[in-house]
Amino acid sequence: EVQLVESGGGLVQPGGSLRLSCAASGFTFSSYWMSWVRQAPGKGLEWVANIKQDGSEKYYVDSVKGRFTISRDNAKNSLYLQMNSLRAEDTAVYYCAREDRPNAFDIWGQGTMVTVSS
Amino acid sequence: QSALTQPRSVSGSPGQSVTISCTGTSSDVGGYNYVSWYQQHPGKAPKLMIYDVSKRPSGVPDRFSGSKSGNTASLTISGLQAEDEADYYCCSYAGSYTSRVFGGGTKLTVL
Repeated sequence: EVQLVESGGGLVQPGGSLRLSCAASGFTFSSYWMSWVRQAPGKGLEWVANIKQDGSEKYYVDSVKGRFTISRDNAKNSLYLQMNSLRAEDTAVYYCAREDRPNAFDIWGQGTMVTVSS
Repeated sequence: QSALTQPRSVSGSPGQSVTISCTGTSSDVGGYNYVSWYQQHPGKAPKLMIYDVSKRPSGVPDRFSGSKSGNTASLTISGLQAEDEADYYCCSYAGSYTSRVFGGGTKLTVL
């Protein structure tokens, strides 16, 4: 079964750090661009970052540039999001998603909740 | 990287058709044929319904169709069913892999 499973969410204080993980199974992980997409409570979807198959290209939404780092380990079939200098506005459910072709997120994880609060 | 513009809500009766619009600019929707649509039920992950403006993934009913004219993309759902009640989001490629941009979302109510 093709599947993505996120983990690592939780409660963190403003200014703190958190590392999200996404475990992929059922497909050749190293063949796909991968993205992180987030959704603040009661709000819409926001694309956060993506990474090329070999990790050589990474792109971010302006609001997280310099604070978040996307990475992957193809040997472990895993995607990561290192989040530093967290702000209240980063509070959201974070989804990892497979990008089958440009702008087509065909497989999504169940999401992991990140809450930034003191 | 401004969000695409969608109506906050639309509604229709079972069997009817509804269309959800998604307006961007020539730098995103109007510039590329890479518009996708997602359905999201409460508490669930989004599901890809349309990609490349008008293509349907395997398993998506042909009641769902997509189109684009200029800077506006549209999702049409015909023969509305109760299970179509959900939030719908459009998403556009916005030039290379530097960004993707989502719409604000539209709540579809089946009356």
